[in-house]
Amino acid sequence: QKEVEQNSGPLSVPEGAIASLNCTYSDRGSQSFFWYRQYSGKSPELIMSIYSNGDKEDGRFTAQLNKASQYVSLLIRDSQPSDSATYLCAVNTGNQFYFGTGTSLTVIP
Amino acid sequence: DAGVTQSPTHLIKTRGQQVTLRCSPKSGHDTVSWYQQALGQGPQFIFQYYEEEERQRGNFPDRFSGHQFPNYSSELNVNALLLGDSALYLCASSFEENNPDTQYFGPGTRLTVL
Repeated sequence: QKEVEQNSGPLSVPEGAIASLNCTYSDRGSQSFFWYRQYSGKSPELIMSIYSNGDKEDGRFTAQLNKASQYVSLLIRDSQPSDSATYLCAVNTGNQFYFGTGTSLTVIP
Repeated sequence: DAGVTQSPTHLIKTRGQQVTLRCSPKSGHDTVSWYQQALGQGPQFIFQYYEEEERQRGNFPDRFSGHQFPNYSSELNVNALLLGDSALYLCASSFEENNPDTQYFGPGTRLTVL
């Protein structure tokens, strides 16, 4: 079983819509959770971190964490074509980072 | 504020050769982690250096080794290259005493093994 699982997509949404990205993790002891955005040919860029159950909002981005269900999600409101990228979920477990394979998002103008 | 830098940008090697990749952390950061990202995959943790010591290691063979220097910069060495070592190698830095798990990635080194 992989440590972090994501739906690889591709996920397509129209401009202005809400994009919903999901991630599950296997280790209940994991304490910190991250979403990175990676444009094609570029390195990952940190978007959000979340440590506690519930929602955390930053601009158009909202991260949601449910430790009981071992589930992390990222909502992108008012999606823009510039949001088209691969979104990587990462989990810090015992000082090691585990990344999912990423979900490819395309925002259609 | 200088971000994470890596060199070289691209590298082509043949099987059996050795390679050294370099990383300079973001200004003020003291911890460096290395990742391997194969095409279409997420980054895989290789190891992390703090205070010039390897602190954590992922599931990579001993052919992968590293070093951290007193100025916090780091090297990744890979011996006896295999075709499967072709990947984007990413360095990420963080600051141990303040959000140690908030990592910032460098632009990466694209390694091709022929």
